[in-house]
Amino acid sequence: GAVVSQHPSRVICKSGTSVKIECRSLDFQATTMFWYRQFPKQSLMLMATSNEGSKATYEQGVEKDKFLINHASLTLSTLTVTSAHPEDSSFYICSARDRGWRNIQYFGAGTRLSVL
Amino acid sequence: AQTVTQSQPEMSVQEAETVTLSCTYDTSESDYYLFWYKQPPSRQMILVIRQEAYKQQNATENRFSVNFQKAAKSFSLKISDSQLGDAAMYFCAYRGGGADGLTFGKGTHLIIQP
Repeated sequence: GAVVSQHPSRVICKSGTSVKIECRSLDFQATTMFWYRQFPKQSLMLMATSNEGSKATYEQGVEKDKFLINHASLTLSTLTVTSAHPEDSSFYICSARDRGWRNIQYFGAGTRLSVL
Repeated sequence: AQTVTQSQPEMSVQEAETVTLSCTYDTSESDYYLFWYKQPPSRQMILVIRQEAYKQQNATENRFSVNFQKAAKSFSLKISDSQLGDAAMYFCAYRGGGADGLTFGKGTHLIIQP
């Protein structure tokens, strides 16, 4: 299957700093990428849809100024958690949709963010 | 809004036996897609199987098959000949025909007893 690379896999930062997470589709083009958040022992919640060349679409309740998304190319989307606080600590997972006929979302390995 | 319900927080099965994981969903759309994803301890989401709502035939992938009942809005996953490597969290997911993102159920933790 297609490969989605997510980096970093783990990040620990101090409260008030910003953290950038990258999501890359390695062997296919993705006009659309997605960012999910997963709290411990819970399900994945869609945060936003990242569209190449246009503004991201955020789900209700997700602060767009807190979670900045940039999708500058067909293979790269970034999520920046600005002025991170301990409550932002979570597991963030990206996915990319294959434009091919199977139209399937492939997931990155996730980023565990810990804000001290 | 669409909702996905997995009523079994945890299931346990003996190795080599068959287990069925339940999933129901609520939608007013006629065109949509349903998925089962597996999340092992590594937390990497792995697609197990996929079903298009317009297809009447149930999807199968080797030991994995689904029972898709569109009228009942039910989408269960059957795992045959369970293996130790099948142990993981299993998430049922929905995607509308016009929407992009996935709506996930709360997951079922599958334990394989050796």
